[in-house]
Amino acid sequence: GAVVSQHPSRVICKSGTSVKIECRSLDFQATTMFWYRQFPKQSLMLMATSNEGSKATYEQGVEKDKFLINHASLTLSTLTVTSAHPEDSSFYICSARVLASGSTQEYFGPGTRLTVL
Amino acid sequence: GENVEQHPSTLSVQEGDSAVIKCTYSDSASNYFPWYKQELGKGPQLIIDIRSNVGEKKDQRIAVTLNKTAKHFSLHITETQPEDSAVYFCAAPGSGAGSYQLTFGKGTKLSVIP
Repeated sequence: GAVVSQHPSRVICKSGTSVKIECRSLDFQATTMFWYRQFPKQSLMLMATSNEGSKATYEQGVEKDKFLINHASLTLSTLTVTSAHPEDSSFYICSARVLASGSTQEYFGPGTRLTVL
Repeated sequence: GENVEQHPSTLSVQEGDSAVIKCTYSDSASNYFPWYKQELGKGPQLIIDIRSNVGEKKDQRIAVTLNKTAKHFSLHITETQPEDSAVYFCAAPGSGAGSYQLTFGKGTKLSVIP
């Protein structure tokens, strides 16, 4: 399947700082990527859809000014958690769609564990 | 929007036995149903998917069945092995403008006992 990478895999930061997470499609171009958030023992919650060359589309209840998304190229989307607080601690996962053999599949990155002290 | 229900939430089986996880969905227009396996601390991995034009798909020890009339689909794992232990998620897309955005079930924690 298609490969999606994320960096960093883990990050620990102090409250009030900003953290940037990168999501890359390694062997394909992705016009659309997705950002999810997952709390322990829970399912994936879609935060936003990242669109190359245009503004991201945020799900209801997700603050766009707090979770800044930039999709500057066909292989890179970034999520910046601004002024992070302990309640932002979570597992953040990106994904990308791949069109293969006439069908679309969604592949996930390995995730980024964010801990805000 | 789409609503996906997944059962059971936890499942323990003896190594070599079969495991079945079931999901129901609400949007009759949904036409794509993937299953993901997530190991601890890792991102979800697509293991199998099925489209609405078929009723069953098999890949070695893993199979998925789909009943569009009843709006449910199931994951079947045969001859389970300890490395099958993980959390499994089903998903279905919604309809309308956000039709490709997947809605996930709450997950099933599968434990395969050696």
